[in-house]
Amino acid sequence: SYVLTQPPSVSVAPGKTARITCGGNNIGSKSVHWYQQKPGQAPVLVVYDDSDRPSGIPERFSGSNSGNTATLTISRVEAGDEADYYCQVWDSSSDHRVFGGGTKLTVL
Amino acid sequence: EVQLVESGGGLIQPGGSLRLSCAASGFTVSSNYMSWVRQAPGKGLEWVSIIYSGGSTYYADSVKGRFTISRDNSKNTLYLQMNSLRAEDTAVYYCARDLTNGGALGYWGQGTLVTVSS
Repeated sequence: SYVLTQPPSVSVAPGKTARITCGGNNIGSKSVHWYQQKPGQAPVLVVYDDSDRPSGIPERFSGSNSGNTATLTISRVEAGDEADYYCQVWDSSSDHRVFGGGTKLTVL
Repeated sequence: EVQLVESGGGLIQPGGSLRLSCAASGFTVSSNYMSWVRQAPGKGLEWVSIIYSGGSTYYADSVKGRFTISRDNSKNTLYLQMNSLRAEDTAVYYCARDLTNGGALGYWGQGTLVTVSS
């Protein structure tokens, strides 16, 4: 089965840029989606199809995907961005949705 | 406005059965790809199952043969029948709808907690 690998944690100072990676075999050939989850809340889609944003998501959230790594970039980080972030793809070979293990973003 | 409301969670003994419901409003369940995703306490997200608009269903290996996803078009409701429950099935279960039937889960319910314990 397809495996997505994320760093367990990323720390960033307010106002700086956070980058969260998601590794997978030839992930650049797949569409990658990113979710934000705050404690006690359901996940929220923040980036889909590698780099598109759903309505209501700030432009500070952006994504890229190439080769074996996809990246979620959060610019001008705010305290309210502190959350767990998950990447996800659709593994067409098995028709399974696959999530990465999640990355805890800490705003210093 | 799209809304998803899960129900049916609770405490169940190992080996028991439970049926989760996800009542949808603001859209038609049968026209969309609908998934169940779970999250064990303190753990990450785990995809469980999907039902496509055409009716095809798929399951994670961890639940295949024990769980069944279905929908009632007249009630615009999604279900997850869970049999032979194990302690490792303890989790918050979310129903979710694809944003555009393209793989991204754009709409989520608030979740329902299932606890499997004796």
